[in-house]
Amino acid sequence: DQQVKQNSPSLSVQEGRISILNCDYTNSMFDYFLWYKKYPAEGPTFLISISSIKDKNEDGRFTVFLNKSAKHLSLHIVPSQPGDSAVYFCAASRLTGFQKLVFGTGTRLLVSP
Amino acid sequence: DVKVTQSSRYLVKRTGEKVFLECVQDMDHENMFWYRQDPGLGLRLIYFSYDVKMKEKGDIPEGYSVSREKKERFSLILESASTNQTSMYLCASSLGQMRNQPQHFGDGTRLSIL
Repeated sequence: DQQVKQNSPSLSVQEGRISILNCDYTNSMFDYFLWYKKYPAEGPTFLISISSIKDKNEDGRFTVFLNKSAKHLSLHIVPSQPGDSAVYFCAASRLTGFQKLVFGTGTRLLVSP
Repeated sequence: DVKVTQSSRYLVKRTGEKVFLECVQDMDHENMFWYRQDPGLGLRLIYFSYDVKMKEKGDIPEGYSVSREKKERFSLILESASTNQTSMYLCASSLGQMRNQPQHFGDGTRLSIL
């Protein structure tokens, strides 16, 4: 049972435009969400996170939006750059789950010049 | 800068062998994790440890065990390797009890079981 879902395996965007990556979750006990970026042959690197007490968190070109009623979060990258081309993983954790993360299946973003 | 080092980038083993994957972190992190990454399945947690000699099962612990004798080192053991354990294995570590401390990952070990 996939508790964290990324329904788009891939996304192509032109440089300078907005990239929107989506993530849905089914477990209402999740209350902390993270995005990781992964380049080929490297481990995932932490990008940005959001607690369920917020609906938006911004860090430079990256903004994460959380819609708790819809159990949906999204990552916006503006403006997109070719160096953003990578696989993006959404992850979630529960308050009582210590630091155990549940990951989505990933979305491959390709930003073309 | 946090460094998580996995001993091998690529490993080829035979069915039935006992396989050891080693992970070392240099930031005195309390928590360490082992994941496997498979196409279409994302990252799945195998085992984690929040202290020396402590271990907790993740979502897919069957066929695996772990060892944490020192704080900086977390080993994943495949007791009797099988072909369905061919995968990318990722180790991670994080600091303390606070959930807002992100996990830092190594570059992975691509394991092939023949």
